[in-house]
Amino acid sequence: DSGVTQTPKHLITATGQRVTLRCSPRSGDLSVYWYQQSLDQGLQFLIQYYNGEERAKGNILERFSAQQFPDLHSELNLSSLELGDSALYFCASSPRDRRGLYGYTFGSGTRLTVV
Amino acid sequence: GNSVTQMEGPVTLSEEAFLTINCTYTATGYPSLFWYVQYPGEGLQLLLKATKADDKGSNKGFEATYRKETTSFHLEKGSVQVSDSAVYFCAPNSGNTPLVFGKGTRLSVIA
Repeated sequence: DSGVTQTPKHLITATGQRVTLRCSPRSGDLSVYWYQQSLDQGLQFLIQYYNGEERAKGNILERFSAQQFPDLHSELNLSSLELGDSALYFCASSPRDRRGLYGYTFGSGTRLTVV
Repeated sequence: GNSVTQMEGPVTLSEEAFLTINCTYTATGYPSLFWYVQYPGEGLQLLLKATKADDKGSNKGFEATYRKETTSFHLEKGSVQVSDSAVYFCAPNSGNTPLVFGKGTRLSVIA
């Protein structure tokens, strides 16, 4: 157990639907990162939150959004789903780390299948 | 921004063979360097890290040395096992930007 909890582990949904992925960071970590992993694109950074505020944005589609709540858990919302959105979605967390000395702790991921 | 170049593989080795996975990076500032490993069906795990030039990170028999002059952080293991079969990711961390990963290097070790 890494300390980062992601739910659900698996999700199957139809095209056009909306889903919410949830992440609880490791205790004490203030930053949450979302990544998408697909076979052809590798591991793509989507978005980062730090202590409730959006800190950085990567290749996140407009159909996707995220937020971090006061208890520091985060949710990634995916809407108007397309077949191509099928992927593994990982959440990672880290402590405050301006110098990059610490790594990220990853959850075990949510496997999304859009049919 | 930061970026990394590593061979995608797959790299297929026999058990007890020597492993090298090359990694070169570009990064802003003076990054720390990390290797992550992803076993089948799991998330990424931190394998080892080095935070300054000439430092050697090591864990589970794996080693990598921070080479600032060649901007490299090659992963090595003297004798691989079947249980080392996984995908390996190299990543520079400047602290002020999120980690950027390549596609990783898939390693298959056969008995």
